[in-house]
Amino acid sequence: EAGVAQSPRYKIIEKRQSVAFWCNPISGHATLYWYQQILGQGPKLLIQFQNNGVVDDSQLPKDRFSAERLKGVDSTLKIQPAKLEDSAVYLCASSLRRGTMTYEQYFGPGTRLTVT
Amino acid sequence: DQQVKQNSPSLSVQEGRISILNCDYTNSMFDYFLWYKKYPAEGPTFLISISSIKDKNEDGRFTVFLNKSAKHLSLHIVPSQPGDSAVYFCAASLNYGGSQGNLIFGKGTKLSVKP
Repeated sequence: EAGVAQSPRYKIIEKRQSVAFWCNPISGHATLYWYQQILGQGPKLLIQFQNNGVVDDSQLPKDRFSAERLKGVDSTLKIQPAKLEDSAVYLCASSLRRGTMTYEQYFGPGTRLTVT
Repeated sequence: DQQVKQNSPSLSVQEGRISILNCDYTNSMFDYFLWYKKYPAEGPTFLISISSIKDKNEDGRFTVFLNKSAKHLSLHIVPSQPGDSAVYFCAASLNYGGSQGNLIFGKGTKLSVKP
């Protein structure tokens, strides 16, 4: 079974530029998450999708971050404009949902973003 | 305010001995707890979990213990192997399995198992 795919793996941009990350979840996983992991911290949830609908985006800085999941499969996360404090690893995860149960999350390798 | 705390940033253990990783939480409403393992340049990998209705869950060399009154859980690895060297994250969830089952992670503990 293929895992969660993310690209690019690394990205370096200057502040005020824009950047986009892509995620392809495990086939059949209806729930998709984007996390931000700053160095020395645990992952922090940015947004959760159920199919192509947003379930929770309460911690997404909406003035600069946006995310979409068209057709309920792939997802993109965008930052525009980037700030120095956005330097982090951006992790995508997916999980299976059957009925009302959501199961363990499987993570992709992440995209390491450096903002200079 | 950190709801999930891993107070030991690092732990060093000899191969073959027991590794004990600790995690404390503040929200008594958490109903599901998970441990993830992370190698450098990879995403976290699910290791083991426990529901709040249990006090112990075992999977091979890995056992998780939950003490709800103390709001404390621990991960035991016996025997420890060099391949276990990684960062271990504790995570907790409210209403796991429901639409609000988002994970709240601790900062992680780096385990080093020496041959």
